[in-house]
Amino acid sequence: DIQMTQSPSSLSASVGDTVTITCRSSQNIDRALSWYQHHPGYAPRLLIYAASTLDRGLPSRFSGSVSGTVFTLTISGLLPEDFATYYCQQTYSAPRTFGHGTRVEVK
Amino acid sequence: QVQIQQWGAGLLKPSETLSLTCGVHGGTFSAYYWSWIRQAPGEGLEWIGEILHSGRTNYNPSLKSRTTISVDESKNQFSLKMTSVTAADAAVYYCARYPNYLDSSGHPFGLDVWGRGTTVVVSS
Repeated sequence: DIQMTQSPSSLSASVGDTVTITCRSSQNIDRALSWYQHHPGYAPRLLIYAASTLDRGLPSRFSGSVSGTVFTLTISGLLPEDFATYYCQQTYSAPRTFGHGTRVEVK
Repeated sequence: QVQIQQWGAGLLKPSETLSLTCGVHGGTFSAYYWSWIRQAPGEGLEWIGEILHSGRTNYNPSLKSRTTISVDESKNQFSLKMTSVTAADAAVYYCARYPNYLDSSGHPFGLDVWGRGTTVVVSS
């Protein structure tokens, strides 16, 4: 199975900050990596797929990139609604494993 | 606009069988893997498994021996059964859609439509 190592597990930030979250895959997964935002009590929401493609209707302050097996989610100019938990998921092969999540908290 | 509605028993006793169903409204049923994901209290998301309209399945190896995912294409529904539940199976269970085709660059999509989640409690 492909393991996804996500870091940090949590971070504190302020509105307007830029934050970066990283996921490393245990083997090559090409660009088969998605990012999700999850607010408590709601279903997760797809932000980015194929490492860097923004899902429809998403604001451009969310961006994704990849270098080898290291994937990065960047949120530029945090808004209040961005405080949530973020997960990566490899969609290269089943089982389609998730990272352990990064909680973005208010500083 | 595709919507997924999910339902099933939310309170189980240890050793009972969990049974949840999702119904898909709108969109093409056959072009997708239909997936189950769960989140235990205080934990992250865990991928349980998925099924194509044809019945082809993939499972999380850690849950495979107790899990069955089935599909009823005539009703645009898919279901999850998990036997011999314990307290460790208490979680919010989500169903979601995963496209069985690639984007214009030849890369896979993500889980793009989700149900609202069903809370499952396991208690004697």
